[in-house]
Amino acid sequence: GDSVTQMEGPVTLSEEAFLTINCTYTATGYPSLFWYVQYPGEGLQLLLKATKADDKGSNKGFEATYRKETTSFHLEKGSVQVSDSAVYFCALSDNFGNEKLTFGTGTRLTIIP
Amino acid sequence: EPEVTQTPSHQVTQMGQEVILRCVPISNHLYFYWYRQILGQKVEFLVSFYNNEISEKSEIFDDQFSVERPDGSNFTLKIRSTKLEDSAMYFCASRPIWGQGELFFGEGSRLTVL
Repeated sequence: GDSVTQMEGPVTLSEEAFLTINCTYTATGYPSLFWYVQYPGEGLQLLLKATKADDKGSNKGFEATYRKETTSFHLEKGSVQVSDSAVYFCALSDNFGNEKLTFGTGTRLTIIP
Repeated sequence: EPEVTQTPSHQVTQMGQEVILRCVPISNHLYFYWYRQILGQKVEFLVSFYNNEISEKSEIFDDQFSVERPDGSNFTLKIRSTKLEDSAMYFCASRPIWGQGELFFGEGSRLTVL
């Protein structure tokens, strides 16, 4: 079945550091890929998405590129801020109508000033 | 901005008791979901619901679980006889008929079974 593997956390970085959170996937067919974020005390919310190979999703300075050859969708940000502290979830959708999401374990990111 | 709301935010119950978790999806959404996350583990799909019936369910969603949309606004998850291993954060989500893959999640209901 479909699965998502993402970088174990927690990750602690200093403000303005470069961020990479790795995500790889296993899926049949052609899934869509997502990063969801959960800020403290809030629900999961979509951060960015990519629906086909070589697409780049971007939002709030975060980027991720759908790499079919390496089955990866790594999340990057050039300069993180304290407000980016949250839990980040990589996910895929099977695109078969129901669009059920399969999630990774989540990576807790803490940014220190 | 419309949002998915869940109640209660935290419930503590004794093993064997029935629990109902409630969700109010965004009003014009047509697909509804329940997910759960056991502490330290993945967010797992439980069930999806469309047109007043279950469209898909996972192996986790056994006979102890049921879902209902009793009044056109609420979407509930019932666990008939809770077990210790049901302790988890339960997330409700909804989506409109458009919007490929973007689910709108509630803040979650934490269930602790003693």
